[in-house]
Amino acid sequence: EAQVTQNPRYLITVTGKKLTVTCSQNMNHEYMSWYRQDPGLGLRQIYYSMNVEVTDKGDVPEGYKVSRKEKRNFPLILESPSPNQTSLYFCASNEGLAGGGNIQYFGAGTRLSVL
Amino acid sequence: SQKIEQNSEALNIQEGKTATLTCNYTNYSPAYLQWYRQDPGRGPVFLLLIRENEKEKRKERLKVTFDTTLKQSLFHITASQPADSATYLCALDRDDKIIFGKGTRLHILP
Repeated sequence: EAQVTQNPRYLITVTGKKLTVTCSQNMNHEYMSWYRQDPGLGLRQIYYSMNVEVTDKGDVPEGYKVSRKEKRNFPLILESPSPNQTSLYFCASNEGLAGGGNIQYFGAGTRLSVL
Repeated sequence: SQKIEQNSEALNIQEGKTATLTCNYTNYSPAYLQWYRQDPGRGPVFLLLIRENEKEKRKERLKVTFDTTLKQSLFHITASQPADSATYLCALDRDDKIIFGKGTRLHILP
């Protein structure tokens, strides 16, 4: 079954304590991205990766890092989390279509609270 | 910068009627426009994609139109059912950059 798997699903942490949210896809997609979703602001892209070892900033990259050492995994790293990073996070993997355009497959989400 | 507006935060429709959701954008026209469904606490799920050279796309009870002159897409659910209640997101896709609207919460009333 085609899947994007994020872990953990829920996380409560304290300011400044480094954390990593993992993301893995089993569809051999080249393009992956991370989003955060906040009430009234919608989904905003944090970082994306078009292939292994290629990452680029999205709209809200401050305070986040990513890495793409292998095609299937795209972890999101918060080196020093702050309360304004409390949010619902989604990892997504893109399937390019033959006629152009993409379909995004999303993980189930990680709800992060930074105290 | 590119802006996307979805017609309203919430929309109530009587069961059996057609629900119509609007997505308007400014600036450049996307090459592709996508619609997703999102249930509470879950990730968005892809529904339909329409290309800039297509006027209309259908899938079962769903229909999407794309008017690049008006810079607008309409998303229709015919014969709506309570199970169609969810948040619907439109997304603009151009040059491998995807931008989402804030979504419209649709409630189908029995």
